[in-house]
Amino acid sequence: AQRVTQPEKLLSVFKGAPVELKCNYSYSGSPELFWYVQYSRQRLQLLLRHISRESIKGFTADLNKGETSFHLKKPFAQEEDSAMYYCALSDSWGKFQFGAGTQVVVTP
Amino acid sequence: NAGVTQTPKFRVLKTGQSMTLLCAQDMNHEYMYWYRQDPGMGLRLIHYSVGEGTTAKGEVPDGYNVSRLKKQNFLLGLESAAPSQTSVYFCASFSGRVYNEQFFGPGTRLTVL
Repeated sequence: AQRVTQPEKLLSVFKGAPVELKCNYSYSGSPELFWYVQYSRQRLQLLLRHISRESIKGFTADLNKGETSFHLKKPFAQEEDSAMYYCALSDSWGKFQFGAGTQVVVTP
Repeated sequence: NAGVTQTPKFRVLKTGQSMTLLCAQDMNHEYMYWYRQDPGMGLRLIHYSVGEGTTAKGEVPDGYNVSRLKKQNFLLGLESAAPSQTSVYFCASFSGRVYNEQFFGPGTRLTVL
């Protein structure tokens, strides 16, 4: 069975400090992994997908198949990064599994 | 191009009442999903559909029913609402193509008294 684990419920960081959100997964096949972001009382929107290997809003995420991880990182946090972040995995049949989410609070 | 829309945005029900939440998408996506979002629980899949006329159970289907009579619409029904169903409900759609993402609606905030 597929599972996505986000061990931190809350991350509080100062503006300008690095931030790393952890995501571990279990899946028997080749996973498709995503990070979604949800700003206060808004819909979820895609932040990153592992296949793109791009940087969005300064965030990057690397898929580590050996450690089954897909951690999200940003070197310098900004106040507008305060949001809920979800790691998600999709299987070959269109089913998505979401982690419990990590609330990021960036204080000035 | 509205993407994914949900109706209503807010609703308050009394225990035992019924209601239907409507999700509509204009992207011609095959797959549609209903999730509930609760603090500390993340997003949990209620039901989903892989095409018009099909439905399947997700992680927490009890107390809910769904229908997908038209490709663009996915309805979520609560036959007899309970306070445990107080939640924010999100609908999502997905093209079915590899590496594509889900698109989400704005959510429906439901309170059951």
